Order: sequence, then C-alpha cells, then structure tokens
Amino acid sequence: AQSVAQPEDQVNVAEGNPLTVKCTYSVSGNPYLFWYVQYPNRGLQFLLKYITGDNLVKGSYGFEAEFNKSQTSFHLKKPSALVSDSALYFCAVRDYFSGGYNKLIFGAGTRLAVHP
Amino acid sequence: DADVTQTPRNRITKTGKRIMLECSQTKGHDRMYWYRQDPGLGLRLIYYSFDVKDINKGEISDGYSVSRQAQAKFSLSLESAIPNQTALYFCATSVSSNQPQHFGDGTRLSIL
Repeated sequence: AQSVAQPEDQVNVAEGNPLTVKCTYSVSGNPYLFWYVQYPNRGLQFLLKYITGDNLVKGSYGFEAEFNKSQTSFHLKKPSALVSDSALYFCAVRDYFSGGYNKLIFGAGTRLAVHP
Repeated sequence: DADVTQTPRNRITKTGKRIMLECSQTKGHDRMYWYRQDPGLGLRLIYYSFDVKDINKGEISDGYSVSRQAQAKFSLSLESAIPNQTALYFCATSVSSNQPQHFGDGTRLSIL
C-alpha cells in the first residue's frame, strides 16, 4: 500500500537560514507527490507537485522540492526562511487503486517554526 | 468569495445528536472530498465523490454518511455523534487526480 512519512514533528529554523522539511514515500509505480501548507484556522493550500520531469520542482512562496527516486524522498526546501513561513506542512502521495480511482494519502504533518 | 465554502465553521454539540456539515464550491470541479484532521494523524479521507452519481467510502467512513446534492454541493452527516468524532473537518475539490486539491477553511466540531 502507498504511504508517506514525515519523520519530524517540528522543525525550528532562524529567519534567513535555509530550511528543509523531510518527506519519504512508498509507492508501487511512479509517484505523484504534493506539498501543502496550512496556516492557523485555514484549509490546506497547495505549494507544489511532482508528476514527472525535473527532479527539482519550484512552487509558491519561494519553496522548492527535490525528488530523489533512489532515496524515495521528496524534501521541501527554501533558501531563506521567513517568519511568515511558520505553519504546518503536509506531504501527500497519490494512491491509485482498482477502478481507476485515485486519492491522496497525507503525511502526519511537520510544524515549521521560524524564529526572528 | 471563497472557492470552497464550509458551514458551519465551528459547532459544539452533544453525544447522540445528528449533525450535518455542508460544503459548496464555485470551482466547477466534479471531484469532492471530505477529510478529518486530528493532531499527529494528518488528514484522513472519510468519503469522496467523483461526480453527482458517484459516492465512495474512504478509509474512515464508519459513523459518517454523505450526500452529493449537486455538482457544487457535498454534505457530510454524523447520524449519532460520539465524542471521538471531535475533530477538524475539511472539504476539498479537484478537477483530476493529477491536479491539486482545493480546500475549504474547515469546520471545527466538538462533541461533548
């Protein structure tokens, strides 16, 4: 069965420093991977996705993610963190099953705290 | 106006009550989803619908039911609420499985 893991409950980083939020996945076949961000009292917002192509995917708000097939990882990165990046981040993988239906499986989430 | 609107935003109710959470969208998407968010567990899929005539159970459908009244409306019901259904509930839409899902701002449900 498809699965996704976010090994860190929380990541702390100083403003201006680079940040990485980790995600690993387990799928049969080619993975379709997504990152979402959740701010307080709001729904999830799409950041970026990997379907195929370049391993480095660029997304919203200066975020990017690196797809690594050999390590089955899809880590979210940003060169210079902002305090406003503080939020809950979710990695998700598309789960394909019989009947042609697809749905997303979400990781447990990683809380990013950026300190001034 | 929000593309995906959930009502109510907050609800406190008692064990055994019937509750309906509503979701409407203006995005014109065929696919709609209901998720539940619990701390440390991420989002778990309750039900999903790929068009008005298509309703499917997700991974945690027990105790819940849904109705797809129109392309734009997808409601979630708890027939007899219990305290462990206290959670944050999200509705989402998408145009296809390769495209992002668009989420409402959630309903915070507390069952006493």
